[in-house]
Formats: sequence, C-alpha cells, structure tokens
Amino acid sequence: ELKVEQNPLFLSMQEGKNYTIYCNYSTTSDRLYWYRQDPGKSLESLFVLLSNGAVKQEGRLMASLDTKARLSTLHITAAVHDLSATYFCAVPQGGSEKLVFGKGMKLTVNP
Amino acid sequence: EAEVAQSPRYKITEKSQAVAFWCDPISGHATLYWYRQILGQGPELLVQFQDESVVDDSQLPKDRFSAERLKGVDSTLKIQPAELGDSAMYLCASSPGRLQETQYFGPGTRLLVL
Repeated sequence: ELKVEQNPLFLSMQEGKNYTIYCNYSTTSDRLYWYRQDPGKSLESLFVLLSNGAVKQEGRLMASLDTKARLSTLHITAAVHDLSATYFCAVPQGGSEKLVFGKGMKLTVNP
Repeated sequence: EAEVAQSPRYKITEKSQAVAFWCDPISGHATLYWYRQILGQGPELLVQFQDESVVDDSQLPKDRFSAERLKGVDSTLKIQPAELGDSAMYLCASSPGRLQETQYFGPGTRLLVL
C-alpha cells in the first residue's frame, strides 16, 4: 500500500528566510504533484514532476523529484507572508491516476 | 479560465438525513474524481469516473454513499443516511483523462452533520 509522508507537518518561519520541506513515498512512482491549500479553500496545483531529476520553479518555490530515493523536496526562498498555506504532495498509486496525498505541511510565515 | 463547479458550498444536516452534492467538471474533461478531506488531513479518493463509468470506488462506503455520472459530464454524490463521522470537505476534481495530467479541484462542499 502506498504511503506518502511529509515533514515537517508544521513550520513557522520568518519572512526572508529559506527552508526545505520533504515528501517521501513508499512505492515506486515516476510522478509527483504539489498542491497548495489556503484555509477553507480548495487545492491549487503548484507543480507536476514527471520524471527522475525533474525540477520546477515558480516564484519563490522550487520543487524537485528523486524517484530512486522516493523523495521530493519543496524549497522556499526568501519567504513572504503570502506563502502561508498548507502544502500537499501527492503520488499516483500503482500506475493509476488515483492520487494518494500526504497529510500536508502547514506553513506560517511571520513578518 | 475554466473551473470545476460544485454546489452547495456548505451543507448542515442532521444525522440519518440524506444529502447530495453536485459537481460540474471543466468542459471536455473525461475523468472526474470525488475526494473527502477531513480537517487536518489530506484528501482521500472516494470514487473516480472515466466518462460515465466508475474506474475506482474501492474507498466508497457503499452502504451509505452513492455516486453517478449518468451522461459523462456532471456528477452527483449522495449520502444516505448521513452520520456524524461524515462531517468533512467533499472535493470534486477533473482532468482531461490523459495520463500524467494535473487534477483540477473545485471549491468543495463543506458538510456538517449534527
């Protein structure tokens, strides 16, 4: 059974700082998705990583995928308050399109 | 920009009552998903449709939940009877149906069962 683990689950950081969050998964997959969710809102797609070594960047966020290590990282550069949200990674199960989500990482960026 | 539509946005009901949620996917999207998200957790897939056919409903509690997508476009998720533990956000998502495509999520229906 595919398990997706995120760490940390909670992160409070100051504006201007850098940080990396992690997403591990338990079975082989060559794809991984990152989503953002604001409180009480739906999920917004951030990144789609489709192969080993894939790297995507959007603004202050950069995501990468290492399929051999079954690990994805989401790096935050010079955090700003607007990045405060919950970030989910998701992995498709067994070659299907069924996504298994991690528990999410709640990020708070303080002025 | 095309979006997934859901209604209602909020629903309060008493246990043992019936509730229904509606989803209209992005036009042309063949695959439709219903997820349940409990507060503080990630979404969990309840059912997946490809056009009008169910592809995966292994996590759908079939004694009380049902889902249909009769014409392969919009979809309805029903709970009867509702239980206290059903309180959650119900999210609908759609994708074009090709492999590796992003799933686009609707705004969700927040259900509270009293």
